[in-house]
Amino acid sequence: AQSVAQPEDQVNVAEGNPLTVKCTYSVSGNPYLFWYVQYPNRGLQFLLKYITGDNLVKGSYGFEAEFNKSQTSFHLKKPSALVSDSALYFCAVRDPVSGGYNKLIFGAGTRLAVHP
Amino acid sequence: EAGVVQSPRYKIIEKKQPVAFWCNPISGHNTLYWYLQNLGQGPELLIRYENEEAVDDSQLPKDRFSAERLKGVDSTLKIQPAELGDSAVYLCASSLDLSGLAAEEGVWYNEQFFGPGTRLTVL
Repeated sequence: AQSVAQPEDQVNVAEGNPLTVKCTYSVSGNPYLFWYVQYPNRGLQFLLKYITGDNLVKGSYGFEAEFNKSQTSFHLKKPSALVSDSALYFCAVRDPVSGGYNKLIFGAGTRLAVHP
Repeated sequence: EAGVVQSPRYKIIEKKQPVAFWCNPISGHNTLYWYLQNLGQGPELLIRYENEEAVDDSQLPKDRFSAERLKGVDSTLKIQPAELGDSAVYLCASSLDLSGLAAEEGVWYNEQFFGPGTRLTVL
């Protein structure tokens, strides 16, 4: 069965420092991977996706993610964190070898706290 | 362009009462999703519509939950009767399903746009 793991409930980082939010996945076939961010009292916002091509994917707000097939990981990164990046981050996967079923499997989420 | 609209944003009810949530997707989006998000967890799909057809409702507790998308645009999710364990955030999302065209081009998109959610509290 397809699954996504976000091993850290919370990540704390100082403003200006690089940040990494971890995600590992388990799917059959080639994975389609996504990162979403959720700010308080707001819906999930799409950050970036990996479908095919370059393993380093660039997304919104200066975020990027690196697809690593051998480690089955898709970690979210940003070179310099901002206080405004503080939010809940969700990794998601969709297995394209599923009869065209557009279902996203989300991880449990990681809360990012950026301190001034 | 307006995003996905959901109402109400908050709802507090007594257990055993009925409740309904409404969602208006982004204009032109043919696929609509209802998700359940429990506290401290990621969203879980309840039901997915392609136009007016419910193509996946395997995770919807059909004894008390129902949904409809009669004209293939906006949708309503209903719980009757509500239980204490139904307290959660109910998210609606929509997407433009390009699977047919995208599959021919070797690319498959599934960017889902989410509404702000309805936070339900059952007392």
